[in-house]
Amino acid sequence: GDSVTQMEGPVTLSEEAFLTINCTYTATGYPSLFWYVQYPGEGLQLLLKATKADDKGSNKGFEATYRKETTSFHLEKGSVQVSDSAVYFCALAGANEKLTFGTGTRLTIIP
Amino acid sequence: SAVISQKPSRDICQRGTSLTIQCQVDSQVTMMFWYRQQPGQSLTLIATANQGSEATYESGFVIDKFPISRPNLTFSTLTVSNLSPEDSSIYLCSVDRQGGYEQYFGPGTRLTVT
Repeated sequence: GDSVTQMEGPVTLSEEAFLTINCTYTATGYPSLFWYVQYPGEGLQLLLKATKADDKGSNKGFEATYRKETTSFHLEKGSVQVSDSAVYFCALAGANEKLTFGTGTRLTIIP
Repeated sequence: SAVISQKPSRDICQRGTSLTIQCQVDSQVTMMFWYRQQPGQSLTLIATANQGSEATYESGFVIDKFPISRPNLTFSTLTVSNLSPEDSSIYLCSVDRQGGYEQYFGPGTRLTVT
């Protein structure tokens, strides 16, 4: 079945540091890939998505590129801010349209 | 995107009772989903609810424990029955609105069972 393997946290960085959160997946066919973010005390929000190989999703300074050859969708940001502190979930949607989530990575940014 | 509301936002319930969670969407959607997020864990899909048909449950979830209603295209309820402390979780509904498999989530209902 489909699965998502996500970099384990927690991750703690200083403000303005470079961020990478690794995500790899296993799926049949060509899934759509997503990053969701959950800020403290809030619900899950879609951060970015990519629907086919080599697509780059981007939003709020975050980027992720759909790499079919490495089955990866790593999340990156060049300069993180304190307000980026949240839990980040990588997810995929396969042919059955259901979302499969990774375990989540808690990110804390220190001023 | 979609605007999704859930009621209640949180509740504390006694063991053996039931809690019904409501999910309201600001426009008509075909598919609605219910998830559970146990403390410190990821999201697990409970069931998919389509209007006019029985909900489809994932492995490990049964209708007797998690009955779902979907009376129209903007509303659904999830009941968590015969509560035990293990049911303490956040329950979220979501919708798939744009046909691109992306889902939009409600704010969640935090359930604590004592």
